[in-house]
Amino acid sequence: GENVEQHPSTLSVQEGDSAVIKCTYSDSASNYFPWYKQELGKGPQLIIDIRSNVGEKKDQRIAVTLNKTAKHFSLHITETQPEDSAVYFCAASMDSSYKLIFGSGTRLLVRP
Amino acid sequence: NAGVTQTPKFQVLKTGQSMTLQCAQDMNHNSMYWYRQDPGMGLRLIYYSASEGTTDKGEVPNGYNVSRLNKREFSLRLESAAPSQTSVYFCASSVLPQTQYFGPGTRLLVL
Repeated sequence: GENVEQHPSTLSVQEGDSAVIKCTYSDSASNYFPWYKQELGKGPQLIIDIRSNVGEKKDQRIAVTLNKTAKHFSLHITETQPEDSAVYFCAASMDSSYKLIFGSGTRLLVRP
Repeated sequence: NAGVTQTPKFQVLKTGQSMTLQCAQDMNHNSMYWYRQDPGMGLRLIYYSASEGTTDKGEVPNGYNVSRLNKREFSLRLESAAPSQTSVYFCASSVLPQTQYFGPGTRLLVL
């Protein structure tokens, strides 16, 4: 079955710097890759997603890139702000599958 | 529009006790899910319901049962709680299979 690995497990950046979180997946049939942000004591919130027919997607300060050949995808956050501090999860899924396979999470700390 | 709601928010059980976690969504989504979240392990799917009247096992179904009561509600039952079931439980829903929206979670401690 699908396996998703996420790195790093913790990431500390200065406010205004960029942050990059990387995930690799094992099943080449996976074609949907969402990213979730989880703040302390809350449920995961979908922040951006990408499908395999697209190499990059942007939404303001957030972008996701996908390399299907290498089977990895990354979350890029530019001009980080303290409110970006949270745990971020990547996930992978196949068409028509109801099963999202999650990475283990990255705790991002943005220092003021 | 409350999205996905879960009750209770927090529960303490003794080993062997039973309980039901409740989930409801008001987004008219077809599919609903139950996940557990443990430290360092991300979220793992317990059960899901693709549509009203159907339920299927996920990655970690042992020790749990589910009921899709109607289109809005999906409950998770622990018949005989064990300390290994101490976790945070999240319910989610989706229109299409992949784009899932999560509730605020239920924190369960089994002593």
